Amino acid sequence: TQLLEQSPQFLSIQEGENLTVYCNSSSVFSSLQWYRQEPGEGPVLLVTVVTGGEVKKLKRLTFQFGDARKDSSLHITAAQPGDTGLYLCAGGYSNTGKLIFGQGTTLQVKP
Amino acid sequence: DAGVIQSPRHEVTEMGQEVTLRCKPISGHDYLFWYRQTMMRGLELLIYFNNNVPIDDSGMPEDRFSAKMPNASFSTLKIQPSEPRDSAVYFCASRQSINWETQYFGPGTRLLVL
Repeated sequence: TQLLEQSPQFLSIQEGENLTVYCNSSSVFSSLQWYRQEPGEGPVLLVTVVTGGEVKKLKRLTFQFGDARKDSSLHITAAQPGDTGLYLCAGGYSNTGKLIFGQGTTLQVKP
Repeated sequence: DAGVIQSPRHEVTEMGQEVTLRCKPISGHDYLFWYRQTMMRGLELLIYFNNNVPIDDSGMPEDRFSAKMPNASFSTLKIQPSEPRDSAVYFCASRQSINWETQYFGPGTRLLVL
């Protein structure tokens, strides 16, 4: 059972465009993390959001946690080729050590 | 710190053979996780340990898979006998505590079972 649905699964855009990746679930999470993974490497944490409605910004990346803590979004402004990679969302439960990962969104930014 | 260390980085074996994957977590981290990543199923949690004790192994596919953590600095994931459908990238990750701090992933072991 896939608890976290990411959309879109694949995204190919031109440099300078904006994009949004969505992460949705029917479950309530105590926290939501976003990771970025490059080919041949393990995922690297970008951000953690823990409060419903929370918004965090990391340079050109904006992360939002839904009010009900069931969904999240990642918005990239003026995408650069260096943003190319696999973006993964992961939901956490406060009473366990588990992180449940979404299927991922593969982003390609063309120069 | 060197980060999470995994070995081997690549493994090619024949169906039926035993495969052992190794992981050294970051020193001082209480949690260790084993994941498997495939195109079809994404990143799946197989098992995780807290203070060397297995907490949840519900993600382990079947009895052919086993994991151990004999001490705080070493863990193994064993597949015996291996099958072609086990081909995947296996990641080890560690985290300092249950409070949502950064989870650090190793570089992964790319396993191909022929």
